[in-house]
Amino acid sequence: NAGVTQTPKFRILKIGQSMTLQCTQDMNHNYMYWYRQDPGMGLKLIYYSVGAGITDKGEVPNGYNVSRSTTEDFPLRLELAAPSQTSVYFCASSYQTSGRGADTQYFGPGTRLTVL
Amino acid sequence: GDSVTQMEGPVTLSEEAFLTINCTYTATGYPSLFWYVQYPGEGLQLLLKATKADDKGSNKGFEATYRKETTSFHLEKGSVQVSDSAVYFCALSPVASGGSYIPTFGRGTSLIVHP
Repeated sequence: NAGVTQTPKFRILKIGQSMTLQCTQDMNHNYMYWYRQDPGMGLKLIYYSVGAGITDKGEVPNGYNVSRSTTEDFPLRLELAAPSQTSVYFCASSYQTSGRGADTQYFGPGTRLTVL
Repeated sequence: GDSVTQMEGPVTLSEEAFLTINCTYTATGYPSLFWYVQYPGEGLQLLLKATKADDKGSNKGFEATYRKETTSFHLEKGSVQVSDSAVYFCALSPVASGGSYIPTFGRGTSLIVHP
């Protein structure tokens, strides 16, 4: 199993540009998440998905969009990039069953994004 | 709502010293509790977990016991190594009927171990 893969690893954007961060998992997990981590800070949840076709906002969704057309893929779209979106972005997945607590989250290696 | 509070870092220790990183939580019911570790330049990975009261999670010499009476899940290691230098995150996942089970993370505690 490759686990959770993210591309690209690094990216520099100019203000106003757009891009898509890719995330794929091969563990058949139903839940997927996008977090951002600013330097020296903890994780902030951007969006999450509980299954294909279902997404919901997290703590800091403004400036981002997501889609979940398949179980495996959960891309994050940045429209009109701003310097405040400079951060490290982590995708994660986990398996949840109804009525039970969340199982372990598996994280990708991250995408380091700089907006200049 | 749910919350996780971790001790502020950085925690700086000499090699072979004893480590404790405090973690307390607020949640309804009996959440699952986790410690994740993030090495420099990498994503988070599970270190250990516990799913019910009095359970002890352990891995790589680290231990944590789920204490319902004190709502705590403190991380301990008897003798740290330089290679343990990393950021440690305490997290909980709620147990509820219906709805989504979105984990809550603490702010992370940086550990620096000197030779």
